[in-house]
Amino acid sequence: EAQVTQNPRYLITVTGKKLTVTCSQNMNHEYMSWYRQDPGLGLRQIYYSMNVEVTDKGDVPEGYKVSRKEKRNFPLILESPSPNQTSLYFCASSLIVAGRTGELFFGEGSRLTVL
Amino acid sequence: GNSVTQMEGPVTLSEEAFLTINCTYTATGYPSLFWYVQYPGEGLQLLLKATKADDKGSNKGFEATYRKETTSFHLEKGSVQVSDSAVYFCAPNDYKLSFGAGTTVTVRA
Repeated sequence: EAQVTQNPRYLITVTGKKLTVTCSQNMNHEYMSWYRQDPGLGLRQIYYSMNVEVTDKGDVPEGYKVSRKEKRNFPLILESPSPNQTSLYFCASSLIVAGRTGELFFGEGSRLTVL
Repeated sequence: GNSVTQMEGPVTLSEEAFLTINCTYTATGYPSLFWYVQYPGEGLQLLLKATKADDKGSNKGFEATYRKETTSFHLEKGSVQVSDSAVYFCAPNDYKLSFGAGTTVTVRA
């Protein structure tokens, strides 16, 4: 089954404790992206990747890191989480066709709480 | 780059009512346009898409036509059900893309 898998789905952590949210897709997609969803602010892009070793900032990259060492995986790293990073996070992937993204496939979301 | 302006919600309707959610786009070139839907507690999923002007996307009773002359991609459904309660997002196909708040639709029985 074609899917985007995120882990963990739920996490409560404390300020400053490094954490990684994993994202894996089994569709051989070139493009992957991370978003955070907050009430009243919508779904904002954090980072995206066009292919292995190619990443770029979205609209809200501060406090986050990403890596793309393998095509299927695109982990989101919070080196020193703070309470303002409490949010619902989504990973998505897509083929790149004729130089553009196609349909985005989303994971089920990871709800992160930073105390 | 490309961007969309989507009708703000929330929208509350009764079952069997007609639903329209407006979406207009600003584009360099001719992007594909998508409507995504997010049901409560879930991630976004594709509802329908159109890849060029005059294309009509349709799915689950929803329709949207890519209109170049009005730069619009409005979503319509003739008779909504309670199960259509969700958040709807209009989007072009861009690498760098935030979706905004979407339009929250609540359908009452």
